[in-house]
Amino acid sequence: AQSVTQPDIHITVSEGASLELRCNYSYGATPYLFWYVQSPGQGLQLLLKYFSGDTLVQGIKGFEAEFKRSQSSFNLRKPSVHWSDAAEYFCAALGGGYQKVTFGTGTKLQVIP
Amino acid sequence: NAGVTQTPKFQVLKTGQSMTLQCAQDMNHEYMSWYRQDPGMGLRLIHYSVGAGITDQGEVPNGYNVSRSTTEDFPLRLLSAAPSQTSVYFCASRQGLSPLHFGNGTRLTVT
Repeated sequence: AQSVTQPDIHITVSEGASLELRCNYSYGATPYLFWYVQSPGQGLQLLLKYFSGDTLVQGIKGFEAEFKRSQSSFNLRKPSVHWSDAAEYFCAALGGGYQKVTFGTGTKLQVIP
Repeated sequence: NAGVTQTPKFQVLKTGQSMTLQCAQDMNHEYMSWYRQDPGMGLRLIHYSVGAGITDQGEVPNGYNVSRSTTEDFPLRLLSAAPSQTSVYFCASRQGLSPLHFGNGTRLTVT
């Protein structure tokens, strides 16, 4: 079955430290991939997307993600985390038939001073 | 440009009551969908539609009904509310392969 896995439920980083959030997908063919962010009590905002081409994609708020076909991964990174980055992050995939978007279970990011 | 509008923002129901969550988009998107968000479970797809008159089930369709009579509207009906349907509900739309545009959500409590 098609699925998206985010292995880390909760991550804590210090402000100014680097960040990597993991995402793995299981699809027959490479899906279209997305990262969304959700601040407490808010809706979901798109950070970045990967459709094809360059495997390193840049997004908003200084985030980037790298697609690795060999590892079926699409990890999100940021070189220096700010306190305002504390939120929940969701990886998502649009797969075969291009109808259903499947989400991972999310990773909650806590930023400490 | 309002995007995706969901109403109401909050709702409390008693077990067995029915209600409709409204969703409207003004972007002329063909695809619309409903998700529920529960702690630790991410967003799970309830129903989706690829155009007016066409709907299909997602991952967790039981207890919910949808219809799509116009491109703009995609209401979600709870037929007989149960405590297990306490959740935050998001409506989302997209066109073609573009990313989903989300509404601000409806927080539903069933007592």
